[in-house]
Amino acid sequence: QKEVEQDPGPLSVPEGAIVSLNCTYSNSAFQYFMWYRQYSRKGPELLMYTYSSGNKEDGRFTAQVDKSSKYISLFIRDSQPSDSATYLCAMSARTGTASKLTFGTGTRLQVTL
Amino acid sequence: KAGVTQTPRYLIKTRGQQVTLSCSPISGHRSVSWYQQTPGQGLQFLFEYFSETQRNKGNFPGRFSGRQFSNSRSEMNVSTLELGDSALYLCASSLHPTQTGGATNEKLFFGSGTQLSVL
Repeated sequence: QKEVEQDPGPLSVPEGAIVSLNCTYSNSAFQYFMWYRQYSRKGPELLMYTYSSGNKEDGRFTAQVDKSSKYISLFIRDSQPSDSATYLCAMSARTGTASKLTFGTGTRLQVTL
Repeated sequence: KAGVTQTPRYLIKTRGQQVTLSCSPISGHRSVSWYQQTPGQGLQFLFEYFSETQRNKGNFPGRFSGRQFSNSRSEMNVSTLELGDSALYLCASSLHPTQTGGATNEKLFFGSGTQLSVL
């Protein structure tokens, strides 16, 4: 079983819909949680970054972390066709000063007109 | 500010050959990490470098190696290529905690990757 599980989709929604993307994880040592967006033939781009549990909002994006359930979510409000991409969750457990992210396999999102 | 630059963008090699990929981090970033991305496994951590030293290593065979230069640029090398090495190889740069007064360096900024095809 993978440390981080993410539904691969694809997820298709109409423009303007609220999108919910989720990941579950098994390693209770994870403290840092991120969401990346990856367009086709591009590298991942950092969208949201949170530490420990709680919510964080940035424009149309809201990230939620529930460490007790080992579950993280990304909500996208008023979705746009430009949001069509693969969304990757990532997380890490601090090991000294080194950085190693564990990624979900990504959810492909398609926002239709 | 220029982003992370990876060269080449595409490579086609045959089994048994070796390959070297290059990465130039964002100016001022001194940590460089490498990831392999495949459709089945997603992104998997290869290694991380800081100050020309490997600081962390993933679960890949010894055929995968890397290095970092004094200007923070990094290269990774894969020897004796196998068909299963076909993947997108991504480089990411970040500030190191020694540059941020101890703050975390988990905010990685990725390049567009090198797409390696092994025939």
